[in-house]
Formats: sequence, C-alpha cells, structure tokens
Amino acid sequence: KAGVTQTPRYLIKTRGQQVTLSCSPISGHRSVSWYQQTPGQGLQFLFEYFSETQRNKGNFPGRFSGRQFSNSRSEMNVSTLELGDSALYLCASSLLSGQGSYEQYFGPGTRLTVT
Amino acid sequence: LAKTTQPISMDSYEGQEVNITCSHNNIATNDYITWYQQFPSQGPRFIIQGYKTKVTNEVASLFIPADRKSSTLSLPRVSLSDTAVYYCLVGDLGGYNKLIFGAGTRLAVHP
Repeated sequence: KAGVTQTPRYLIKTRGQQVTLSCSPISGHRSVSWYQQTPGQGLQFLFEYFSETQRNKGNFPGRFSGRQFSNSRSEMNVSTLELGDSALYLCASSLLSGQGSYEQYFGPGTRLTVT
Repeated sequence: LAKTTQPISMDSYEGQEVNITCSHNNIATNDYITWYQQFPSQGPRFIIQGYKTKVTNEVASLFIPADRKSSTLSLPRVSLSDTAVYYCLVGDLGGYNKLIFGAGTRLAVHP
C-alpha cells in the first residue's frame, strides 16, 4: 500500500506570495491533518480534515487554510507569505478521526522557504 | 492534553538497550500514551501506544507504572539507524486527530 505523498517536496517563494501544498493520504484513509515544523517552535498542529470537513484547527492565523476533496486528497494554502512561514509542512493521514488511536501516518513533508 | 517532560538528549552505543522516560504528572483517566520517532527531514513515525502496564511490539516496549505519571520507552539493542528524535504524547483518544508534540528526546547512537 502506497504511503502518504506530498507535493511538491521543495518550494521557494517570495514574501507576499501565496502557496498551495498538496497531500494524498493512504488509500482508504479519510482523515488528513497538517502540521508545521520549525526549529524554533517544533511540530505544531495546523488543522484536520475528515470527510471534506475541517474538524479541528490549531492556533494559526487565517492566512493558513485548507480543504479536502471527495477522494480525501487535501490541500493547504498559505496566503501573503512571511519569512516566518519557512518550515517543513507535514501531512498525516489516518483511517478515522478520534476513534481510539493516535496512529497517524506522516508524509515526507514539503520544505517551504520564503525569501 | 497532559503536558509531558522528556530529556532533551541521550547518547548510547550500538547494541545497548535504551530507555527514554517521559513524565506526565497531570495525565487524565482517559488519556493514552503514544510515542513517535522522527528522522531528519522525514515525518514522524508511530512507534507504540499504551494505557497501563506493559506493551510490546516488534520495535519497542512501553512500560507504564500503576500511577501512570510517567512512562518509559525501551529500545532493545539499538543500532546507528535508531538515531532520531523520540516524542512522547499523552491525550484522550476520543478527540480529534490533533497531536501535540513536545520538544522530544534527541537520541544519538554511536558505533
């Protein structure tokens, strides 16, 4: 079974631009969560989508948004990029949401650099 | 979610057993304990999860004392490839899939 895939793997953007990252979960998984990882703040939860609905959101500004499609694929968008948005963005999928396990499967991440 | 405390770093040598302890004094009755492993430039990987006593799988063992205020991840006979950051997470599994990661423990395995 294929793992979680994220595209692109690397991205360089300029301040003020916007970016869209994509995540394809493991086949059959309906929950997709997004995380941001930086050296200073560590791994931080952005949001979770389940059956095309956002179920939970972390403490990030409204510039960070996401969506999930009917095939469970998910995208996250960051508008008006800031230097501090440079990070590794990780996507994780799981079969269900809040159903008795913290076992999530993470993708390799998208390394975003904002200049 | 209960706050967790782990050592910032640990060193070991190949072939040794490594025990990483996580403190979670405010763990709630419904909370489970979960450990993840992360290699550089990769996403975290689920290792093991437990509620009480001992859980063992092909990768590690998790020891949880009766008061559940701490837990110990045990890695038998580590190799260089076990060099990674290990995260202890505590939370109620009935909630959404929101993982709260602490700083983790950076384990370095030396030849």
